[in-house]
Amino acid sequence: ENVLTQSPGTLSLSPGERATLSCRASQSVSSSFLAWYQQKPGQAPRLLIYGGSSRAAGIPARFSGTGSGTDFTLTISRVEPEDFAVYYCQHYGGSRTFGQGTKVEIK
Amino acid sequence: EVHLEESGGDLAQPGGSLRLSCAASGFTFSDYAMSWVRQAPGTGLEWVSTISGGGDDASYADSVKGRFTVSRDNSNYTLFLQMNSLRAEDAAIYYCATPATVFVHWGQGAPVTVSS
Repeated sequence: ENVLTQSPGTLSLSPGERATLSCRASQSVSSSFLAWYQQKPGQAPRLLIYGGSSRAAGIPARFSGTGSGTDFTLTISRVEPEDFAVYYCQHYGGSRTFGQGTKVEIK
Repeated sequence: EVHLEESGGDLAQPGGSLRLSCAASGFTFSDYAMSWVRQAPGTGLEWVSTISGGGDDASYADSVKGRFTVSRDNSNYTLFLQMNSLRAEDAAIYYCATPATVFVHWGQGAPVTVSS
């Protein structure tokens, strides 16, 4: 099983700052099968990025995904107040494995 | 607009059973695989099961294999999850989602509690 480890566990930022979230896989994965989701309290997750770097419909350009092999990154160029949430990476090449999440909180 | 709505979440005893439903609308249901994803309280996401659009192929997480059964009624645009032999660790919010691998659309979730 390919284990996804996200870091940091919590990221404390002020609005306008840059957020860099990491997702590391225990085995190499194709970036074509790497996704990122955002989840706010009491809500279902929302797909942000699929295929490693493609934004889902309606997702603002400040969200970007990069990476290859075992190391992937979600970047929020300038964090907006509505971006404070938990973010999950997911590998969907075989089993649908999720990382444990990174919480982006207001500093 | 795609809409998914789960129902059937409830309190069940350990060893008991529950059946979740997910009513779908806004798309041609039989064209798409459907999945269940769960989230235990205060924890992350876990994929549970996926069923093909025709209903003839299903896959399960090891943690539920042999106890849970996914099915669908394409005529009525409904997805089901039959959960048997429930354990405390099955307590979670259960989301239906589509399609099979990248989950673009999600329901609001159905809470399942397992306790005596």
